Amino acid sequence: AQSVTQPDIHITVSEGASLELRCNYSYGATPYLFWYVQSPGQGLQLLLKYFSGDTLVQGIKGFEAEFKRSQSSFNLRKPSVHWSDAAEYFCAVGGYNKLIFGAGTRLAVHP
Amino acid sequence: KAGVTQTPRYLIKTRGQQVTLSCSPISGHRSVSWYQQTPGQGLQFLFEYFSETQRNKGNFPGRFSGRQFSNSRSEMNVSTLELGDSALYLCASRRVEGSYEQYFGPGTRLTVT
Repeated sequence: AQSVTQPDIHITVSEGASLELRCNYSYGATPYLFWYVQSPGQGLQLLLKYFSGDTLVQGIKGFEAEFKRSQSSFNLRKPSVHWSDAAEYFCAVGGYNKLIFGAGTRLAVHP
Repeated sequence: KAGVTQTPRYLIKTRGQQVTLSCSPISGHRSVSWYQQTPGQGLQFLFEYFSETQRNKGNFPGRFSGRQFSNSRSEMNVSTLELGDSALYLCASRRVEGSYEQYFGPGTRLTVT
C-alpha cells in the first residue's frame, strides 16, 4: 500500500538552529516526492520536489531534501531556521495524478 | 501569473444541505485535483479532472462529486451535508504536459452545523 510517514508530529527549534524533518514512504513504483508547507489558514506551498537524478534537491526558502532509496526516506533540512519558518510541513508521494500526504509535522521556532 | 483561486473562502451550512465550491486553476493548467483536509484524517485525495473528465477518484462516498468546464475551472459538490464534512477543501492545479507538481489554492473552509 502507498503511504507516507512523518514520525514527528511536533518539533520545536531555536531560531538559527538547524532543522531536519523526517519522511518515510512506501510506494510500489519510482516515487515522485514533494515537500509542502502550510501556514495557518492557508493553502499548501510547494517547497521542493524530487523526480529523478541528483538525490539532493534544493528548494525555496533555503530548504533542501535528500532522497535515499535504500531507506525509503526523503528528509527535509534547513541549516538555519528563521522565525517565519514556523508552520506545518507535509511530505507527499505521488504518481501521475494523485498525491498521498503524510500527517504533517508542526514546527515551532523559539526566538 | 495568478495562482489557484478558490471561492468562497469560508462557508457555513446546515446538515442536509448541499454545497458547491469553485476552483480556478493557474492559467494554462489543465488538471484540477481536490483534497479534503481535516484534523483527524489529514489530507485526503477526492478526485482529479482533466479535459472535463474525471480521471481518478479517492475513497469518498457518492455525495462528493465534481466537474470541470472547458476553461479548466472546476467545481465540487457535496450533497446531504454531514457534520463530518466540515473541513478545509483544497484545490490544486497541474500543467500536465511533463509536469507532476501540483499547486494549491488557499482552500475553502466549510463548516457544517
